[in-house]
Amino acid sequence: SQQGEEDPQALSIQEGENATMNCSYKTSINNLQWYRQNSGRGLVHLILIRSNEREKHSGRLRVTLDTSKKSSSLLITASRAADTASYFCATAVVGGGNKLTFGTGTQLKVEL
Amino acid sequence: DVKVTQSSRYLVKRTGEKVFLECVQDMDHENMFWYRQDPGLGLRLIYFSYDVKMKEKGDIPEGYSVSREKKERFSLILESASTNQTSMYLCASSLVVYQETQYFGPGTRLLVL
Repeated sequence: SQQGEEDPQALSIQEGENATMNCSYKTSINNLQWYRQNSGRGLVHLILIRSNEREKHSGRLRVTLDTSKKSSSLLITASRAADTASYFCATAVVGGGNKLTFGTGTQLKVEL
Repeated sequence: DVKVTQSSRYLVKRTGEKVFLECVQDMDHENMFWYRQDPGLGLRLIYFSYDVKMKEKGDIPEGYSVSREKKERFSLILESASTNQTSMYLCASSLVVYQETQYFGPGTRLLVL
């Protein structure tokens, strides 16, 4: 099974609503990152949260990290059609070298 | 802004052909990575490089090799392409700082017939 697993696999909401997606992981981490991928394109980094941080904000994005539960959540507030994309969490595992381990992603569709 | 470019967006090759995928970054990053992305499996690391001529195997290196002769360029080589290597290939780069943000190229969608 994956080090990082996103939940749900797919999410469909109306424009203006909030979107929440979750990431669970198995081993200790140094940081956790969220990336966005528009259809058929490369990934774009959204936000990085370190293991000693509990919450971080960037514009309409809010990320939380609970190391005791080995989980993170990404909240997108007031979603827009342009937020339609796949969202991936990536974990920087303790002792994992320079590698990141990516989950399988959440597909978000924001409808007008 | 960091720019990571990949030599082709789409590529069609025949089984048994030797395939070269090239990646170039313009931000003097030490680390470069090659991933493949398949539906339901997410991104899986094939190889990465932390310096010129240095490389390390990722999670799925079988059937692939890499070359890094210059700092800005990282090539992925499929010695003898097979149909199970049909996939989306993504290149990324990052600074030497431990486990920091990776910057991705647009991807190459490879079809092996």
